[in-house]
Amino acid sequence: SQQGEEDPQALSIQEGENATMNCSYKTSINNLQWYRQNSGRGLVHLILIRSNEREKHSGRLRVTLDTSKKSSSLLITASRAADTASYFCATDGSGTYKYIFGTGTRLKVLA
Amino acid sequence: KAGVTQTPRYLIKTRGQQVTLSCSPISGHRSVSWYQQTPGQGLQFLFEYFSETQRNKGNFPGRFSGRQFSNSRSEMNVSTLELGDSALYLCASSYGRLQDYEQYFGPGTRLTVT
Repeated sequence: SQQGEEDPQALSIQEGENATMNCSYKTSINNLQWYRQNSGRGLVHLILIRSNEREKHSGRLRVTLDTSKKSSSLLITASRAADTASYFCATDGSGTYKYIFGTGTRLKVLA
Repeated sequence: KAGVTQTPRYLIKTRGQQVTLSCSPISGHRSVSWYQQTPGQGLQFLFEYFSETQRNKGNFPGRFSGRQFSNSRSEMNVSTLELGDSALYLCASSYGRLQDYEQYFGPGTRLTVT
């Protein structure tokens, strides 16, 4: 079964609004990563957050991690049409050396 | 730095044939991982190589194999192709082990099995 499950599966917002995506996972982790995939640029790494971190920022991106709830969220502020893509969380099952991707959230930003 | 490169980009094979895909990681990266992406199953981990050693393998049959060379370049081989092997195969490299470093993905090889 999938280690990471994103919620919602699809999200449609207006340009300028904020977008929040959530990821839940099942086992302990060393780190959790968020990726973006669109047809033009392939799969691109966004942020890596380690299990001992609670929040990280990168530009318009904010990621939180709650290891007690085994969940993470990705917030994109002031969204742009170019943010239209699928967003995936990925986790390593601690000690398993496998990397598991979630099912993804399809974000559509309307101009 | 040049990104991760994968060759070929597109491939059409017939059932029963075998195929070899190639991945060149970012210079200095020692870990290479392979993933299969399909609309039905999403992104699934195939295996990771670190310093020429396979560290782990996902839930794929033995027809899927790989190797890593001393220059960190990696190849993935699929023997006795089945229709269900049609997918986008992605290679990713990272500086160190998967659990410690972010991964950088190549553009993928689109394999179609007819």
